[in-house]
Amino acid sequence: EIVLTQSPATLSLSPGEGATLSCRASQSVRSYLAWYQQKPGQAPRLLIYDASNRASGIPARFSGSGSGTDFTLTISSLEPEDFAVYYCQQRTNWPLTFGGGTKVEIK
Amino acid sequence: EVQLVESGGGLIQPGGSLRLSCAASGFIVSTNYMTWVRQAPGKGLEWVSLIHSNGDIYYADSVKGRFTISRDSSKNTLNLQMNSLRAEDTAVYYCAKGKYCTGNTCSFDPWGQGTLVTVSS
Repeated sequence: EIVLTQSPATLSLSPGEGATLSCRASQSVRSYLAWYQQKPGQAPRLLIYDASNRASGIPARFSGSGSGTDFTLTISSLEPEDFAVYYCQQRTNWPLTFGGGTKVEIK
Repeated sequence: EVQLVESGGGLIQPGGSLRLSCAASGFIVSTNYMTWVRQAPGKGLEWVSLIHSNGDIYYADSVKGRFTISRDSSKNTLNLQMNSLRAEDTAVYYCAKGKYCTGNTCSFDPWGQGTLVTVSS
């Protein structure tokens, strides 16, 4: 099973600041990594697929990068609605796995 | 508009069975990859099962032999039959549609709102 380790667990930032979230895989997932956003009481929403492609309707302030074992989700300038939990997910090997999440909270 | 609505959750005793359904609108379930993902209270996401458009099925080891994923073309629904339920199966269960698929896997979007399953005596 591929283990995805997200860091940091919590990121405390102010609106307008940039955010950098990390996801590290225990073995190569090539570029088959997605990022999801989840707000309290809501279902996850796909932000980025295949490491660097924004899903439809996702604002340009969200970007993804990386390949192999190291991936980054960058939010260029945090909007109030961006404070949420972010998960990465690999789809290279079965079982599909998710990272433990990074909570982006208001400082 | 593509939409998913789960139902069937509730309180069930350990060892019991429950059947979840996910009603789809705006697309045809049987021609898409569909998945179930669960989230225990206050915890992260855990993939449960996936059914391909070609009918191939995959399960997480934690549910293999106890859960069965299926689809009902007449109702355009995705189902999850859960048997021999355990306390550790307590979670919100989400269904989701495969999107941006290559090979035999996908990223998932959209997701339903989820249905809560509580396994407790």
